[in-house]
Amino acid sequence: TQLLEQSPQFLSIQEGENLTVYCNSSSVFSSLQWYRQEPGEGPVLLVTVVTGGEVKKLKRLTFQFGDARKDSSLHITAAQPGDTGLYLCAGALIGQNFVFGPGTRLSVLP
Amino acid sequence: DTEVTQTPKHLVMGMTNKKSLKCEQHMGHRAMYWYKQKAKKPPELMFVYSYEKLSINESVPSRFSPECPNSSLLNLHLHALQPEDSALYLCASSQAGVAGGPYEQYFGPGTRLTVT
Repeated sequence: TQLLEQSPQFLSIQEGENLTVYCNSSSVFSSLQWYRQEPGEGPVLLVTVVTGGEVKKLKRLTFQFGDARKDSSLHITAAQPGDTGLYLCAGALIGQNFVFGPGTRLSVLP
Repeated sequence: DTEVTQTPKHLVMGMTNKKSLKCEQHMGHRAMYWYKQKAKKPPELMFVYSYEKLSINESVPSRFSPECPNSSLLNLHLHALQPEDSALYLCASSQAGVAGGPYEQYFGPGTRLTVT
């Protein structure tokens, strides 16, 4: 059983469209991170959310942490081909190891 | 500087070889990690070092042997690997060494290992 679930698993959209991907758990996390990974490279940290209800914006990316700190979402506005990659959420449970979700594989077509 | 470096970028080794993967960071982080990532899967935690001491070993076979010579360096010694060990091996570092953060892990580019 995955501690972190991500949806959708795959997403293919046209350049300029908006999208939202989700990261969900039945457990409470002290923090959640979002990473983007390109093939053959290491994950690159995009953001960390800590406070329930927190919203962070990074250019065209908007990240939200659920009030109960069990879920998070990533919204991309006007997607570009450079946004293509594997989006991973990851988090730490109190007293337990850092865990990754299975990822959402995004493809933005020109 | 948020860079974690890993060498080599690619490695091909036979099942009887001994090789080492290297990782270095100069962010002053006191926790370092080894992950294994298979194709189309998320990274899986292998080892965690906190203040140069091994704090977590996720039931990894003994053919993988980690070493942390100092707070900036992390090695992974490989011996008698199997073809199924072929994967992308990622190193990461963070400020805190224990679960429960909040902390952020910074990853290196990885070493693509192929065992023949």
